[in-house]
Amino acid sequence: DAGVIQSPRHEVTEMGQEVTLRCKPISGHDYLFWYRQTMMRGLELLIYFNNNVPIDDSGMPEDRFSAKMPNASFSTLKIQPSEPRDSAVYFCASSSTGRGGRNEQFFGPGTRLTVL
Amino acid sequence: AQKITQTQPGMFVQEKEAVTLDCTYDTSDPSYGLFWYKQPSSGEMIFLIYQGSYDQQNATEGRYSLNFQKARKSANLVISASQLGDSAMYFCAMREARTSGTYKYIFGTGTRLKVLA
Repeated sequence: DAGVIQSPRHEVTEMGQEVTLRCKPISGHDYLFWYRQTMMRGLELLIYFNNNVPIDDSGMPEDRFSAKMPNASFSTLKIQPSEPRDSAVYFCASSSTGRGGRNEQFFGPGTRLTVL
Repeated sequence: AQKITQTQPGMFVQEKEAVTLDCTYDTSDPSYGLFWYKQPSSGEMIFLIYQGSYDQQNATEGRYSLNFQKARKSANLVISASQLGDSAMYFCAMREARTSGTYKYIFGTGTRLKVLA
């Protein structure tokens, strides 16, 4: 079974440009999470979805960030306009309610974003 | 206030020895879950072990075990018979319920473990 798929794996862009990160969760999982990891701030939960519905977006840093999940197999995280401080590794993770209550998250390989 | 505290930024252990990575947590939710993840230098996050707040026994997964002391609010990870491949960053995480009915997920700052040959 394929794990969580993220694309692109690396993205280098210039300040002010729009960036779109993509995620395909594990089939059958009903939760999807977006995280950001930096040396300074560690691993931060940005937003998560349950059954394609955004449940908690309190971690989204500001209006420049938006996330969508149009269907159970696809989600995007968009940054518009991007700024150098957005440079980080962005992880997507998914989990399933049905795993005996564990609900452990399976992470994708991450997208390393560099904003120049 | 920190909800998940990992006080050891870095640790060394000799190959084949056991090592304990500390994690303390803070929550008022009676139903919560505790997780440990491993992040090797390649960057991926790998789930290791889970402990539910109502679980009576400490969780074990192969060489990993979780020393769960509920009254002390600690959930230490024990790795037995350390291997060179265990060198990585280890994160403790908690899932707690919110009054809104949603969940909150919090990660600690991590402990970097280096296994010495």
